[in-house]
Amino acid sequence: KQEVTQIPAALSVPEGENLVLNCSFTDSAIYNLQWFRQDPGKGLTSLLLIQSSQREQTSGRLNASLDKSSGRSTLYIAASQPGDSATYLCAGWYSNSGYALNFGKGTSLLVTP
Amino acid sequence: GAVVSQHPSRVICKSGTSVKIECRSLDFQATTMFWYRQFPKQSLMLMATSNEGSKATYEQGVEKDKFLINHASLTLSTLTVTSAHPEDSSFYICSARRTLSPYEQYFGPGTRLTVT
Repeated sequence: KQEVTQIPAALSVPEGENLVLNCSFTDSAIYNLQWFRQDPGKGLTSLLLIQSSQREQTSGRLNASLDKSSGRSTLYIAASQPGDSATYLCAGWYSNSGYALNFGKGTSLLVTP
Repeated sequence: GAVVSQHPSRVICKSGTSVKIECRSLDFQATTMFWYRQFPKQSLMLMATSNEGSKATYEQGVEKDKFLINHASLTLSTLTVTSAHPEDSSFYICSARRTLSPYEQYFGPGTRLTVT
């Protein structure tokens, strides 16, 4: 069974800090790796999608990397802001599931002013 | 950009009744749609894969007679929770995979179901 694990489960940092969220997956047959943001009681906002042939993607203050050989992905957030407070989910795409996403449990991030 | 809508966004129903949730791709065709469920403080778990014009594929442990899925067109999939019980209270999210570009997948805003 393909498992996606996120560490830490929760993180609190002061505003302005750079931070790294970790995601690991058990099956190297992962196709894509996607990072989402979820605000309390809300749906998902896609942040970055790393396709199988790529190693990283960047959008603004966000950078995500993918290392399939080690089964790891990281989401780097630069110069964190209180508005970044949310739960961050990583999800693996697997071709044998028709590209349904397999989600981790998320990292709950709190950025304090 | 591609938009997926869900209706209703929030529903409260009594135990034993049925509730239908709609998932629509507004500006693209989606041969495949996925239904996920999220319990409080838990991650999203895939319930079923819905393919237009054919029967849905359910994940292990998901009762197909309880969670009826219909994908009658390329832009609409419905999930009906039959004989709902309080333990079915959850956040239900759908996603739609673009037919002409299968590596593009878009999520709906979710439906909060509360069964009293």
